[in-house]
Amino acid sequence: DIQMTQSPSSVSASVGDRVTITCRASQGISSWLAWYQQKPGKAPKLLIYAASSLQSGVPSRFSGSGSGTDFTLTISSLQPEDFATYYCQQANSSPLTFGGGTKVEIK
Amino acid sequence: EVQLVESGGGLVQPGGSLRLSCSASGFTFSSYAMHWVRQAPGKGLEYVSAISSNGGSTYYADSVKGRFTISRDNSKNTLYLQMSSLRAEDTAVYYCVIHIAAAGIYWGQGTLVTVSS
Repeated sequence: DIQMTQSPSSVSASVGDRVTITCRASQGISSWLAWYQQKPGKAPKLLIYAASSLQSGVPSRFSGSGSGTDFTLTISSLQPEDFATYYCQQANSSPLTFGGGTKVEIK
Repeated sequence: EVQLVESGGGLVQPGGSLRLSCSASGFTFSSYAMHWVRQAPGKGLEYVSAISSNGGSTYYADSVKGRFTISRDNSKNTLYLQMSSLRAEDTAVYYCVIHIAAAGIYWGQGTLVTVSS
């Protein structure tokens, strides 16, 4: 199984800050990586697919980059509605494993 | 539009059984592998099980191997998860998931399973 290591596990930031979350795969996954945002009591919401493809309706302050084993999710200017937990998931092969999550908290 | 609707969750006693269903629409169900993912209260996402498009190949996480059985009925566009010998640690929201290459990853709304006496 492919292991996904996500960091940091939590980050405290202020509105307007730039936030970067990284995800590393234990083996190459090409660009088969997704990023999700999850708020309490809700299903995960797909933000980015195929490493850098922004999903319809997702604000452009979210961006993704990377390929192979190293990936990044960037929020360019944090907004109040962005405080949530973020997960990466590899979609290269089953099982579609997840990172451990990053909780973005208000500073 | 891809839609996945889970059902069958509820309260069950430890050692009991439950069958989850996931009704799919908006895509050619028989062409794609399907997956179950769960999330325990306050915890991260855990991959549970997968089944190939024709049902001939399955995968289980170690935590559920030997207790859960994944299956599908392509004539009904429905995915199942038969859960037996349930434990308190199986308490979670269970999600049905599909990965459609070049299109995206789609999730249902989830169904809550609570294992408690």
